Amino acid sequence: DAGVIQSPRHEVTEMGQEVTLRCKPISGHDYLFWYRQTMMRGLELLIYFNNNVPIDDSGMPEDRFSAKMPNASFSTLKIQPSEPRDSAVYFCASRPTGRHQPQHFGDGTRLSIL
Amino acid sequence: AQRVTQPEKLLSVFKGAPVELKCNYSYSGSPELFWYVQYSRQRLQLLLRHISRESIKGFTADLNKGETSFHLKKPFAQEEDSAMYYCALSNQGGKLIFGQGTELSVKP
Repeated sequence: DAGVIQSPRHEVTEMGQEVTLRCKPISGHDYLFWYRQTMMRGLELLIYFNNNVPIDDSGMPEDRFSAKMPNASFSTLKIQPSEPRDSAVYFCASRPTGRHQPQHFGDGTRLSIL
Repeated sequence: AQRVTQPEKLLSVFKGAPVELKCNYSYSGSPELFWYVQYSRQRLQLLLRHISRESIKGFTADLNKGETSFHLKKPFAQEEDSAMYYCALSNQGGKLIFGQGTELSVKP
């Protein structure tokens, strides 16, 4: 099992550009989560999906952020247009259905907006 | 309200000393609790879950429903334990509610 795979690992871009982060969950996991981690705000849940359907997007900061899950093995988080305050580490996590199931995290994407 | 509180932002101990990282939760149902560890600039890794009642890397955590706590303990800290530790509560929707994290620093 390769675990949760995120790409790219690092992204540096200029403000105003579109940024797309990608995530491949563990096969068989029904839930997928996107988090953002910063020194100031810690870990924040942005959005999560169950069976490819968005369940709770209340953590998405604003309309510049969007997330999709077109199938069970792929999800994207898009920021358009990007701003310097979006600089953070973005983590994707997945878990199977059932009680007491932990979330498994990817290595994260370190995003820097100049 | 569903909430996880980790009162210490930073805990600094010497190698070989006992460690206790505090976690208190607020949840109306039957809680599912976890401890995650994040070594410098790496992914969050599951350390413990209350249902397993196991010891990982010498760490244990006991759920105390009366005190609504799930403190993480280790009798003898090692330098390699230095990391960020997050307590988390899973709600019925499958979502994890994280505490703010405690940075553990183990000095030689």
